[in-house]
Amino acid sequence: GAGVSQSPRYKVAKRGQDVALRCDPISGHVSLFWYQQALGQGPEFLTYFQNEAQLDKSGLPSDRFFAERPEGSVSTLKIQRTQQEDSAVYLCASSQRGFGEKLFFGSGTQLSVL
Amino acid sequence: DQQVKQNSPSLSVQEGRISILNCDYTNSMFDYFLWYKKYPAEGPTFLISISSIKDKNEDGRFTVFLNKSAKHLSLHIVPSQPGDSAVYFCAASNQGAQKLVFGQGTRLTINP
Repeated sequence: GAGVSQSPRYKVAKRGQDVALRCDPISGHVSLFWYQQALGQGPEFLTYFQNEAQLDKSGLPSDRFFAERPEGSVSTLKIQRTQQEDSAVYLCASSQRGFGEKLFFGSGTQLSVL
Repeated sequence: DQQVKQNSPSLSVQEGRISILNCDYTNSMFDYFLWYKKYPAEGPTFLISISSIKDKNEDGRFTVFLNKSAKHLSLHIVPSQPGDSAVYFCAASNQGAQKLVFGQGTRLTINP
């Protein structure tokens, strides 16, 4: 497809379980972002890649969160030992270059931790 | 610390009238502002943006106004249509950081 694709669409995890969320950005887009959106809130920045380089991970809430983009295309956000407060929609976005370019968002992965 | 604030959680407007959505920010380093629109179960989609060197940007029915001294921006939709019913997010960034800082969103409902 032409847009940003995220999978799975929904994920239910038991507390303590590890999860992996996948993002396929628009082909050729250099920049890739992960955001976390809690219920009733705006998206909050987690991390940013330019090609395969993770240039900013200041928004990752704890060392249980890890993101990678090894070949500069597909990205995976991994959450280890999930907690209930991790329940949120995780949005991936990409842009052609970066600053000043509009972001194209995927539909998100809704994570529920029980 | 909420750097971008949308103080109205919801707004209801009659079809054909003007919708005005407001956004305030506290970080004077922000120099690029955007509005995104979000339908249920979809990701946000870009609507319109404005650089801090301008005070107005227009695109069809959508106009964004920026008042730097008041650290305030607004989105005007004229005329409002039923398809405009969605959650609208204001976002801001600065050239030194790639990330966008979002407001909490305003749910706009256009009534027939």
